[in-house]
Amino acid sequence: EVQLVESGGGLVQPGGSLSLSCSASGITFNNYWMHWVRQIPGKGLVWVSRIQSDGSSTNYADSVEGRFTISRDNTRNTLYLQMNSLRAEDTAVYYCARGQWGAFDMWGQGTVVTVSS
Amino acid sequence: DIQMTQSPSTLSAFVGDRVTITCRASQSIGTWLAWYQQKPGKAPKLLIYTASNLETGVPSRFSGSGSGTEFTLTINRLQPDDLATYYCQQGNGFPWTFGQGTKVEIK
Repeated sequence: EVQLVESGGGLVQPGGSLSLSCSASGITFNNYWMHWVRQIPGKGLVWVSRIQSDGSSTNYADSVEGRFTISRDNTRNTLYLQMNSLRAEDTAVYYCARGQWGAFDMWGQGTVVTVSS
Repeated sequence: DIQMTQSPSTLSAFVGDRVTITCRASQSIGTWLAWYQQKPGKAPKLLIYTASNLETGVPSRFSGSGSGTEFTLTINRLQPDDLATYYCQQGNGFPWTFGQGTKVEIK
């Protein structure tokens, strides 16, 4: 089945860390850029980070630069997001998404991250 | 950053109507514009990419047009299943940015 499945979300205290994973199946994972996009419940979509197909290049939103790290393991068809120094404003649903033609053409179901004491 | 502004924020229409959503970019993005449909509790779904290309499996009543800074999403013959929030998104330069969304309601 063609799908992206996120995991690793949960409740974490401010200043804490969390690591998200996104497992891809049914696609040639190493052909595609991959992204993380987040959404505060009831609010809009915000792009977080992107990694090139071979992992050689990354980009981050200003709001997470220096705190979040995107990576991938093409042998395991898995995308990662290491989130450090978490803040309340990082609370959101985090989606992994496949990038193609300047768009996100495939999305996971999302994983919820809650930063609260 | 490139700002994306959608209008209207909410629209209400009858089944069978033609509805149009506009998205404006703060600078030219060529045709690097995508449209998504998001239903409550679900991930977004790609409808249109590169401004006017219909994603595989998306009904042909959805269409997109525009280039540069002004773009439109048109839904012909609105259906009850089209109740959702629609977002535009530019993929011309990082950070990729989204419009604030347009909520489509059925009268």
